[in-house]
Amino acid sequence: EVRLVESGGGLIQPGGSLRLSCAASGFDVSINYMIWVRQAPGKGLEWVSVIYGDGGTKNADSVKGRFTISRDNSKNTLYLQMDSLRVEDTAVYYCARVAASGPLDYWGQGSVVTVSS
Amino acid sequence: SYVLTQPPSVSVAPGKAASISCGGSNIGSKSVHWYQQKPGQAPVLVIFYDSDRPAGIPERFSGSNSGNTATLTINRVEAGDEADYYCQVGDTSSDVVFGGGTKLTVL
Repeated sequence: EVRLVESGGGLIQPGGSLRLSCAASGFDVSINYMIWVRQAPGKGLEWVSVIYGDGGTKNADSVKGRFTISRDNSKNTLYLQMDSLRVEDTAVYYCARVAASGPLDYWGQGSVVTVSS
Repeated sequence: SYVLTQPPSVSVAPGKAASISCGGSNIGSKSVHWYQQKPGQAPVLVIFYDSDRPAGIPERFSGSNSGNTATLTINRVEAGDEADYYCQVGDTSSDVVFGGGTKLTVL
């Protein structure tokens, strides 16, 4: 059974850092396209960061230079390192697996990040 | 960047059919995927590759895609279908893009 379990969210002050984790089971993160998607309160879905099977990464313009996606193949876990956090980064963050032709077929339960002083 | 446009809301009576549109430039040339999100829950894939259903999704859910519009249709709508619905395009060769979402209200 495929599962994604997230952890690491919380309340953080502006300018602070936080690392989200997404532990996967039932498939191998090292050969899959993985993505972080966020949803601000009352808003829609926004992709944040992706990591491809070959290890390449890409960030949305809104987080470029501040967020870093990575994975630990030995732990089968995906990470999102978030630095220089802003109030507008407040959201529920989801990790998801992206199938070869685009659908996000499995999602984590979401991790709440609140940036506030 | 590519833009997907959805109506903010759609209302439907129980037992009737609901259609949710997703507009984009020449979207018919892309693969479109649809998600259902209920309050406090993660999104769930309900249609992929324009019209395929994942295991466990009722046959009442169907999709189509042509020209500049993709459509999610829910037949014989039930109270439990009330949710936000998002369309999405993108794959390993292009950025993931989501529509703004449509709130389906069952009257």
